Amino acid sequence: AQSVTQLDSHVSVSEGTPVLLRCNYSSSYSPSLFWYVQHPNKGLQLLLKYTSAATLVKGINGFEAEFKKSETSFHLTKPSAHMSDAAEYFCVVSGYSGNTPLVFGKGTRLSVIA
Amino acid sequence: KAGVTQTPRYLIKTRGQQVTLSCSPISGHRSVSWYQQTPGQGLQFLFEYFSETQRNKGNFPGRFSGRQFSNSRSEMNVSTLELGDSALYLCASSNPSGGPGTQYFGPGTRLTVL
Repeated sequence: AQSVTQLDSHVSVSEGTPVLLRCNYSSSYSPSLFWYVQHPNKGLQLLLKYTSAATLVKGINGFEAEFKKSETSFHLTKPSAHMSDAAEYFCVVSGYSGNTPLVFGKGTRLSVIA
Repeated sequence: KAGVTQTPRYLIKTRGQQVTLSCSPISGHRSVSWYQQTPGQGLQFLFEYFSETQRNKGNFPGRFSGRQFSNSRSEMNVSTLELGDSALYLCASSNPSGGPGTQYFGPGTRLTVL
């Protein structure tokens, strides 16, 4: 069975400061990992994905995540937060086969303070 | 290309009624997945259809069902509605060339059961 645990339900940062959203995963085989973002009243959008290639993955809007197998982590970072980054972020795991359903974490709500 | 569309966007029903939600995937996408999003349980996978066949099913009661048509449009049905079925229902489409886990989400249908 696969699962992800997002360690913070809510993170608040000031505009221009770094963002760190933490995610640990559990998988019985080599996982594919993703971060999705959900802005209010909108659908989810894929930020970035890891599928066993480079362990440091760059995504849209300046976000990146590093896959650390030894720590079973896939934390999301951004050097400098922008007001438009305020949203709900989901860490997601899937088996490498494209037929495996996505398993979502509970989400981390990111607030950005001016 | 037009994105994933879901109709209706909002729906209010009473307990015991049934409801049908519709999803039109991105043109050319043959896989459609459905998710239920609630504050308590987060995002949970309902089922996935590929070329009119259910390929995966989540852990939901038989009151939840779906189907996919030859044009890849999909519908989900919930019979004998319960208060706990109040949720945002999200549809996502994908195709194999996008890689595992790369799904494109619609804005969702907000179902309220009174």
